Amino acid sequence: QSALTQPASVSGSPGQSITISCTGTNSDVGNYDLVSWYQHHPGKAPQLMIYDVSKRPSRVSSRFSGSKSGNTASLTISGLQAEDEADYFCCSFAAGNTYVFGTATKVTVL
Amino acid sequence: QVQLQGSGPGLVKPSGTLSLTCTVSETSISSSEWWTWVRQPPGKGLEWIGEIYHSGTTNYSPSLKSRVTISIDTSRNLFSLNLNSVTAADTAVYYCARQRRLHRAFDIWGQGTMVTVSS
Repeated sequence: QSALTQPASVSGSPGQSITISCTGTNSDVGNYDLVSWYQHHPGKAPQLMIYDVSKRPSRVSSRFSGSKSGNTASLTISGLQAEDEADYFCCSFAAGNTYVFGTATKVTVL
Repeated sequence: QVQLQGSGPGLVKPSGTLSLTCTVSETSISSSEWWTWVRQPPGKGLEWIGEIYHSGTTNYSPSLKSRVTISIDTSRNLFSLNLNSVTAADTAVYYCARQRRLHRAFDIWGQGTMVTVSS
């Protein structure tokens, strides 16, 4: 199973919106609405930000939103803030009752 | 709140066995969730290793299945990872996580344990 493809880095100024893509295949992203997104500050535990493609845990800001089209899922961060600077990775349930992660994207707030 | 704490040796010799434990607190490991191991080699992305349910049912990554065993101890509220015949390619940060089965998402993670395979 190949990793889901994410851009290595995305940047934006405070207040702007950015979108991170996560491209898989019809054996994972394209076949299941079971994509999740995680925020990871180095040295800390990853945090679940989005599940089921577009649902947010109650503690997560509404500035974070998710979507999917075909084999590509996306995470959008609106009103970018300095605290959003972190690594983000996606994950999809996949055929064979397995999971595949994305290659991770470093978000920089300019 | 629910916490997961991984522990184990930070250095393992080549051809040896990597053994890690994840202790779960503030919730019962016998709940209706699954318990997972994930790893991240230096400079690389995350890789799902496998998962276990409190009944002992397991699922493993096909690429690691021949070398991996995940077990659970409900009396001590912990689960464990054993990876045998390790090589330098198994050097990674190993994370334990709780999976919400309905959503196939990992909602609680441990901070990660760095394991280096070296003689």
